[in-house]
Amino acid sequence: LAKTTQPISMDSYEGQEVNITCSHNNIATNDYITWYQQFPSQGPRFIIQGYKTKVTNEVASLFIPADRKSSTLSLPRVSLSDTAVYYCLVGDKQRNNAGNMLTFGGGTRLMVKP
Amino acid sequence: AAGVIQSPRHLIKEKRETATLKCYPIPRHDTVYWYQQGPGQDPQFLISFYEKMQSDKGSIPDRFSAQQFSDYHSELNMSSLELGDSALYFCASSPRGSGELFFGEGSRLTVL
Repeated sequence: LAKTTQPISMDSYEGQEVNITCSHNNIATNDYITWYQQFPSQGPRFIIQGYKTKVTNEVASLFIPADRKSSTLSLPRVSLSDTAVYYCLVGDKQRNNAGNMLTFGGGTRLMVKP
Repeated sequence: AAGVIQSPRHLIKEKRETATLKCYPIPRHDTVYWYQQGPGQDPQFLISFYEKMQSDKGSIPDRFSAQQFSDYHSELNMSSLELGDSALYFCASSPRGSGELFFGEGSRLTVL
């Protein structure tokens, strides 16, 4: 199972771009990378998912290098409301099993300051 | 858009009592997941169901059981409650194979 490692915490200021990197050295061929955001006392919210290269949606971009051993979530121009915990999950979404696709662990606590 | 609905939102129980949490997934989502999140902790996967059959099992205590019904709603039954069971319990649903979980607002269980 691909174990993920993220920084425990990060600080930023409003209007800055924030990049959170997740390491997953033993990612498997069929594994996808999924990021969630969680606010206190709320359920995690899906942000973005990717397999390789770059994925972009209305809230974030996900950069995945060719070796796929890491990925970077990029949040453009953060605001105070982006203060949350961000989780990187890696797993085979087709199997959707109790591997790391379902395991939330060691997220990054992002604090955005005015 | 319809979201995952959980009930009750708040529940207070005494030690050794029983509690039941309910989850109504998003329509046409065939997979349901249960998570437990203690104070200051990450969400812990408990159990999941696909098409009314148990799909995967995580760190669910033997005192807990769950099932998914014919209308796809799911219930998490917790017996012999302990103080340590006090937590937020999240239900999530997804279409099989999407890898994208949609979470409900959670049920906060307090065991006194």
